[in-house]
Amino acid sequence: DQQVKQNSPSLSVQEGRISILNCDYTNSMFDYFLWYKKYPAEGPTFLISISSIKDKNEDGRFTVFLNKSAKHLSLHIVPSQPGDSAVYFCAATGSARQLTFGSGTQLTVLP
Amino acid sequence: KAGVTQTPRYLIKTRGQQVTLSCSPISGHRSVSWYQQTPGQGLQFLFEYFSETQRNKGNFPGRFSGRQFSNSRSEMNVSTLELGDSALYLCASSATGSEQYFGPGTRLTVT
Repeated sequence: DQQVKQNSPSLSVQEGRISILNCDYTNSMFDYFLWYKKYPAEGPTFLISISSIKDKNEDGRFTVFLNKSAKHLSLHIVPSQPGDSAVYFCAATGSARQLTFGSGTQLTVLP
Repeated sequence: KAGVTQTPRYLIKTRGQQVTLSCSPISGHRSVSWYQQTPGQGLQFLFEYFSETQRNKGNFPGRFSGRQFSNSRSEMNVSTLELGDSALYLCASSATGSEQYFGPGTRLTVT
């Protein structure tokens, strides 16, 4: 039973355009959501997070949107840069403090 | 601040052996979590330690165990290694339990 789903295994975007990565969750006990960027054979790098009491959080080129009623969150990257090419994981946690990860989306930013 | 460090970075073991992996968290972080990443199962939670106590455990067999020391450093042990234990083992530290910062991982290969 996948509690966190990233339905798009891959996404290609032109440099300078917006990248939108999506994530859905099923467990209503999740109250904190995170996005990580990962390169092969390395640990995930924390990008941005959002608490369930908010619907938007922004940090530079990265913005995360949370729609609790739809159990959906998205990460917007504007403008996209070739260095953003990596696998992006969405993760969720609740009182148990264990991260439940999605399966990841491979983002490729084309120059 | 120095990041999360993990040793060793690479390890090759034979079926039936046991292995110990080490993790040093970010200074001041008292929570340490361990995750396993495999191509088939993705990123999965193993366990979390806080102040030398295991607070939470994922769905892994008893062959997987861990501990945390008074300086918050943590070790993870896998006994009676199986081929399916080949994976990237990731350690993450946190001050809050929610926002977790990962180390580079230990790549374990079981032959």
